[in-house]
Amino acid sequence: QSALTQLASVSGSPGQSITISCTGTSSDSGPYSSVSWYQQHPGKAPKLVIYEVSNRPSGVPNRFSGSKSGNTASLTISALQTEDEADYYCTSYRSSDTVFFGGGTRLTVL
Amino acid sequence: QVHLVQSGAEVKKPGASVKVSCKASGSTLGSYITWVRQAPGQGLEWMGWVSPIDGKAGYAQKVEGRVTMTTVTSSNTAYMDLRDLTSDDTAVYYCARGWTLIWLDSWGQGTLVTVSS
Repeated sequence: QSALTQLASVSGSPGQSITISCTGTSSDSGPYSSVSWYQQHPGKAPKLVIYEVSNRPSGVPNRFSGSKSGNTASLTISALQTEDEADYYCTSYRSSDTVFFGGGTRLTVL
Repeated sequence: QVHLVQSGAEVKKPGASVKVSCKASGSTLGSYITWVRQAPGQGLEWMGWVSPIDGKAGYAQKVEGRVTMTTVTSSNTAYMDLRDLTSDDTAVYYCARGWTLIWLDSWGQGTLVTVSS
């Protein structure tokens, strides 16, 4: 794989649902096709919101969900809240021991 | 849940080296410690990983040859040593604990490294 591609920005209104896509992941079903998603508020460290494509860590609201089809992974946030406004990054394997991040998507909650 | 505390901000001259530490409390260093950096106004850049279990490490091509990542399990501390600094290395550097290379469940607060003459 050469890169993970994300749209630079997406927006939604409170209560709506949005989906952030990440293209360029491995399309096979092995362990190196896995994807994680991170949320980053300005000036803060990233926070894990989805791991292994669709799993939510403890404490992450169930409004956050992940999926993958072919070489595209998606993060969906339903019932948007103002605190969801942040940058979101996908990450996956470039090889068995190297990783890359997508360029990030800025979510604006209007 | 582990709490990762990183060393403080650094200002370095071009050509110098910097060593950032990352100390874990409340739990172990996990299967991997990954280092990620973020240049001002830019996205996240993966730098590499080190295994606290066997000391193995893997680095991004961009920094390979200039970076060394290590852990000291007796003190639950990880280190990232970056040499031959240039202005392009100015960034916030984060350590993160991982169970796989991409499942990073705890992050340090970040360390700002500024490279300037």
